[in-house]
Amino acid sequence: DAGVIQSPRHEVTEMGQEVTLRCKPISGHNSLFWYRQTMMRGLELLIYFNNNVPIDDSGMPEDRFSAKMPNASFSTLKIQPSEPRDSAVYFCASSLLRLNTEAFFGQGTRLTVV
Amino acid sequence: DAKTTQPNSMESNEEEPVHLPCNHSTISGTDYIHWYRQLPSQGPEYVIHGLTSNVNNRMASLAIAEDRKSSTLILHRATLRDAAVYYCILKGTQGGSEKLVFGKGTKLTVNP
Repeated sequence: DAGVIQSPRHEVTEMGQEVTLRCKPISGHNSLFWYRQTMMRGLELLIYFNNNVPIDDSGMPEDRFSAKMPNASFSTLKIQPSEPRDSAVYFCASSLLRLNTEAFFGQGTRLTVV
Repeated sequence: DAKTTQPNSMESNEEEPVHLPCNHSTISGTDYIHWYRQLPSQGPEYVIHGLTSNVNNRMASLAIAEDRKSSTLILHRATLRDAAVYYCILKGTQGGSEKLVFGKGTKLTVNP
């Protein structure tokens, strides 16, 4: 397996534009996590899904952020409209739905909003 | 969320053992102790996990206190490639859901 695949790796956009980040989890994994990392706030859990169902989205900063998982092999994180303070590295991770198993992270998407 | 406390930073010399401590006094009986690390410009990667007994794998060892309120990640011979931020995380079921929540971690510097 190629691991967790995120696209794009880098995204530069203007304030007010819509941004869509994509994630392909490892085949067979049934938990998927979206994180945001900044120097100030560290690694924050935004939302996670179990079996394609959003379980906890309490980390989503505001209504401008939305995440979907239409099937087991694809998830998106959308920001509309984007703002400069959304600039960060966004990570997607997947795992099996068990406490005693590891999560695998993608390489991340570096988002810059100018 | 169950909390962990780690030192902000630690320093080690190459080829020496490193002991990275973590306190988790509010751990519940079903929480697993997980360790991840994040190398510069990369996503976090899994290191090791345990429940009650000490654990060994090719990367590290995990020593868990008898009362489970603390644990120590042991790198037996640090290399320059081990320089990273190390995160200690409690993974458990809270309110019927799972979470993998990262704290600030310990930044490990390895000196040549």
